[in-house]
Amino acid sequence: DTAVSQTPKYLVTQMGNDKSIKCEQNLGHDTMYWYKQDSKKFLKIMFSYNNKELIINETVPNRFSPKSPDKAHLNLHINSLELGDSAVYFCASSGRDFNTEAFFGQGTRLTVV
Amino acid sequence: GENVEQHPSTLSVQEGDSAVIKCTYSDSASNYFPWYKQELGKGPQLIIDIRSNVGEKKDQRIAVTLNKTAKHFSLHITETQPEDSAVYFCAARKETGGFKTIFGAGTRLFVKA
Repeated sequence: DTAVSQTPKYLVTQMGNDKSIKCEQNLGHDTMYWYKQDSKKFLKIMFSYNNKELIINETVPNRFSPKSPDKAHLNLHINSLELGDSAVYFCASSGRDFNTEAFFGQGTRLTVV
Repeated sequence: GENVEQHPSTLSVQEGDSAVIKCTYSDSASNYFPWYKQELGKGPQLIIDIRSNVGEKKDQRIAVTLNKTAKHFSLHITETQPEDSAVYFCAARKETGGFKTIFGAGTRLFVKA
C-alpha cells in the first residue's frame, strides 16, 4: 500500500504552460507538505498545510498555488512555467506531533523546456 | 534564519568501514532531529531520529548522537555495505516551527565493494 502517492512521476512541458501535480496520503496524517529538490539535491520546503489550512508559505513565487480539498490531498498548481522551475517536487505528510517523521512520496520530476 | 549545515558533501568508504556524517544547527529551540536516506529515483525515507532529551540512539548498524550544547548531531554507520550507498540528509525541527523541517544539504555516500 502506497502511503504518500503523487502523480505524475515525470512531467515535461513547455515554458508558459500551466500544470498540476497531485498528492494523496492514506496515513491519516493532519499535515502535508510540498518540497522542491534542485539539481544539487538541496531540499527546500515550499508549503505546509495542517487540516486543510495553510501554515507554512515560504518565499515561493505566487505562480505556485497549493490546494487542499481535504486532509488527505494536497495538490500543487503551477502557472506560467519557467525554465527555473525544473526540479523534483516531493509531497510529504506527517502526524499530529511536531516530533514525528515525515513520509515522502516518490517525487515528480518536472522538466520545463 | 534557521540553518542546518552538513558535512561532508561526499563520502567514499570501503565496504565494512564506518561512515560518519556531521551536522550543525543554528536554532537552539530545535528539538527533533531526523535523518533521511534517499536512494536514486526515490523520495527520502527516515532511517533514524533523535529527540532533544536523548543524547544517543542506536538501531542495529546506525547510531545518532546529539550534543545540544554545541548544537551538533552526527550519524554513524558501522560495517557499511554497498546498499548503504545513497544521499543522506540530516534535518532539524522545533515545536513552535509550524512543522517546518530544515534540511542539511545532503551527503552522498559511496560504499565500495
